Amino acid sequence: DAKTTQPPSMDCAEGRAANLPCNHSTISGNEYVYWYRQIHSQGPQYIIHGLKNNETNEMASLIITEDRKSSTLILPHATLRDTAVYYCIVRPSVSGYALNFGKGTSLLVTP
Amino acid sequence: GAVVSQHPSRVICKSGTSVKIECRSLDFQATTMFWYRQFPKQSLMLMATSNEGSKATYEQGVEKDKFLINHASLTLSTLTVTSAHPEDSSFYICSARGPRGSGASTDTQYFGPGTRLTVL
Repeated sequence: DAKTTQPPSMDCAEGRAANLPCNHSTISGNEYVYWYRQIHSQGPQYIIHGLKNNETNEMASLIITEDRKSSTLILPHATLRDTAVYYCIVRPSVSGYALNFGKGTSLLVTP
Repeated sequence: GAVVSQHPSRVICKSGTSVKIECRSLDFQATTMFWYRQFPKQSLMLMATSNEGSKATYEQGVEKDKFLINHASLTLSTLTVTSAHPEDSSFYICSARGPRGSGASTDTQYFGPGTRLTVL
């Protein structure tokens, strides 16, 4: 799987947009970008995934650059409950692959 | 949809005893389940992959005789920590993926809430 690079930590004010970057310069053509988050002492929660087009769901938006070497997860209106570690993971779409969790970005949303 | 449960959520046991952790996919059938372990202030580390009806595949360094995995049905996988020792104390998390079902995408893994094991 391609390696990802994320900043270790970020702060965001409540109500503002949180933009979490991820570099994946060695991504292959058949690899998807997945985002998960883990709130303290809980299991990871799926957020969103995409291949090359931008994606949006009820939780977040995923912006993938045209060359696919980086992406940004956007939480449009961060709340205190969004404080968590966010993981950007690249893996093939083929079934059966486990997720390779790196160190992620620890996002702190402040009042 | 796509809910995965784990039981128990927390267990404390004496050294030398065995502990069984259950992982269930509640509203979809999971052909593949994964078991992860997470030590304090560290990321999740994959322990093993289990496919329904076949033997689990363990990651390098994970003792298969110590961590017994049974994936007997499409909705249940169990992890048994045999002869547990204090160094086995950790947060154990399962995930499940499977064919398209109620709320489940074939390309997405859904995680359980985790089980915190403390071995005294």
